[in-house]
Amino acid sequence: DAGITQSPRHKVTETGTPVTLRCHQTENHRYMYWYRQDPGHGLRLIHYSYGVKDTDKGEVSDGYSVSRSKTEDFLLTLESATSSQTSVYFCAISDGVERSAQHFGDGTRLSIL
Amino acid sequence: KNEVEQSPQNLTAQEGEFITINCSYSVGISALHWLQQHPGGGIVSLFMLSSGKKKHGRLIATINIQEKHSSLHITASHPRDSAVYICAVPSNYGGSQGNLIFGKGTKLSVKP
Repeated sequence: DAGITQSPRHKVTETGTPVTLRCHQTENHRYMYWYRQDPGHGLRLIHYSYGVKDTDKGEVSDGYSVSRSKTEDFLLTLESATSSQTSVYFCAISDGVERSAQHFGDGTRLSIL
Repeated sequence: KNEVEQSPQNLTAQEGEFITINCSYSVGISALHWLQQHPGGGIVSLFMLSSGKKKHGRLIATINIQEKHSSLHITASHPRDSAVYICAVPSNYGGSQGNLIFGKGTKLSVKP
């Protein structure tokens, strides 16, 4: 299994608080992705990174920011959490582009009350 | 914008049955992915294919590029195959960076 660790695995917090989710990889893969998964929707891309300090927005980026200061870590931050951001968040990594498989972390279940 | 449609949304089968899950997409692609999400939530990449057919154990994936359609088959299904199966194709949001757009998944339940 690809070495991907997401932390925390579960979090409950209140509306308006900042939240940071961490994705750590030991595979030295260039590409990292943050997705959210909600009932009735497929996985949706929030932000992605194609290298250290190189990030870009995905389909549902509003309300989220990311940072990648090291190859192995990709952080997702909710500056002021809202109830609509209650979701399961998955990190994924890939060593290439269109013809490379993505490997997923175990997910973080985030509840915003 | 590429769109992905999977069918059926839900599928119940008896152990031993042959299973087919379908995936259609709207824009030409370089590769299509099939993934499996276990009841516990973990997501595993099963196949990535750009033409023809791939086989892994009892799982077979096929793709028809001209018809923009792929199928995932499971032979001799078993209760441990119960999971959500997800199809994904390159996204318009940086598809060249490996970004994917995902179908909503097919929930398979195999009864003993």
